[in-house]
Amino acid sequence: DTGVSQDPRHKITKRGQNVTFRCDPISEHNRLYWYRQTLGQGPEFLTYFQNEAQLEKSRLLSDRFSAERPKGSFSTLEIQRTEQGDSAMYLCASSLRLPETQYFGPGTRLLVL
Amino acid sequence: AQSVTQLDSQVPVFEEAPVELRCNYSSSVSVYLFWYVQYPNQGLQLLLKYLSGSTLVESINGFEAEFNKSQTSFHLRKPSVHISDTAEYFCAVTWTSGSRLTFGEGTQLTVNP
Repeated sequence: DTGVSQDPRHKITKRGQNVTFRCDPISEHNRLYWYRQTLGQGPEFLTYFQNEAQLEKSRLLSDRFSAERPKGSFSTLEIQRTEQGDSAMYLCASSLRLPETQYFGPGTRLLVL
Repeated sequence: AQSVTQLDSQVPVFEEAPVELRCNYSSSVSVYLFWYVQYPNQGLQLLLKYLSGSTLVESINGFEAEFNKSQTSFHLRKPSVHISDTAEYFCAVTWTSGSRLTFGEGTQLTVNP
């Protein structure tokens, strides 16, 4: 069990650019979650996959955000036309079943200049 | 909307003193409750959880939390803190009708020598 991994750990980009983050869950976990955490706040739910199906999306996930989990293993989160307000820590978590514990990765810290 | 409230944003204490971090949630329907800890520039680590059974749950490093359904609370306690307990602590809830975690805004625990 190598834990949840995320890549990259840090990303600096200019406003208007597109960015993509990757999350590799714990290998046997079929549920995968994305959260966003801004400075001084708790994480906020963005979206959730069961295997390759995206089952729930938050209203926080605007049209500029898209997430995929094509083979039910790793997932990607893409932000198009980044804005300064997108600067945050993006956290990925995985779990085996409901209501099993969600295990979090180290996060990707995004800074939009 | 369902919500989680952590009543104290910052809690400074001296080493070896007892501490209580407070957490209340909005709905009294069936819930699953978690405490996560976050060290600087890291992801979230599970501290303890309540899924069912005994309302008092304990972690391996001396923390405990008690589920109080009538008061919709899940306060975290430790009888004697160490410098190494300095971190941000997040209370999180999942309601059985959904899979997402809803987090409080966090409590920064600072243990001073």
